[in-house]
Amino acid sequence: SQKIEQNSEALNIQEGKTATLTCNYTNYSPAYLQWYRQDPGRGPVFLLLIRENEKEKRKERLKVTFDTTLKQSLFHITASQPADSATYLCALDQVDSSYKLIFGSGTRLLVRP
Amino acid sequence: GAVVSQHPSRVICKSGTSVKIECRSLDFQATTMFWYRQFPKQSLMLMATSNEGSKATYEQGVEKDKFLINHASLTLSTLTVTSAHPEDSSFYICSAISEGAYSNQPQHFGDGTRLSIL
Repeated sequence: SQKIEQNSEALNIQEGKTATLTCNYTNYSPAYLQWYRQDPGRGPVFLLLIRENEKEKRKERLKVTFDTTLKQSLFHITASQPADSATYLCALDQVDSSYKLIFGSGTRLLVRP
Repeated sequence: GAVVSQHPSRVICKSGTSVKIECRSLDFQATTMFWYRQFPKQSLMLMATSNEGSKATYEQGVEKDKFLINHASLTLSTLTVTSAHPEDSSFYICSAISEGAYSNQPQHFGDGTRLSIL
């Protein structure tokens, strides 16, 4: 079965630096991969989607890469701000359903002022 | 756009009580909604997929008689935790997708319901 690995340790960085979060998967390559932000006690909020034939996607200060050879996606936040502090989840489509998602456990990002 | 409202946000009740959680899409029609549960510092675990006008599809290991799902309209799905026990205490989150179920759609999430069974 598909397993998603995200660094369980919090990433602690200085304001203004670039945060890079990693999402690795172990089995089949998904048709697409999504990134979400989750704040404590809240539901996830969609950020970006990248398809298997795309290598990179950008949205404002966010950038996502997708390497199907390495079975890895990287999520970058440039010029990070304290307001970016949250847990970031990656999600892949399930092999038996293109619209159902499997979520990683997320990586917590802390941006120090 | 694409706002999903979940109610209540928090429930504390005695063991044996049945609890109903509502999930509404406020500004779009959601033919498909999903119900997840999340334990602290863990990932969202899909419990079931709810399609308007038909029976929900449950993931392996989820008791359909324990977690009753009804999707009676294009904007409302409900999850009822029947005869809840302390082990059912968790964070329950719903999500919805618009314009039918096909790939490459983001899911729009509610803000979750914190269920605590005493």
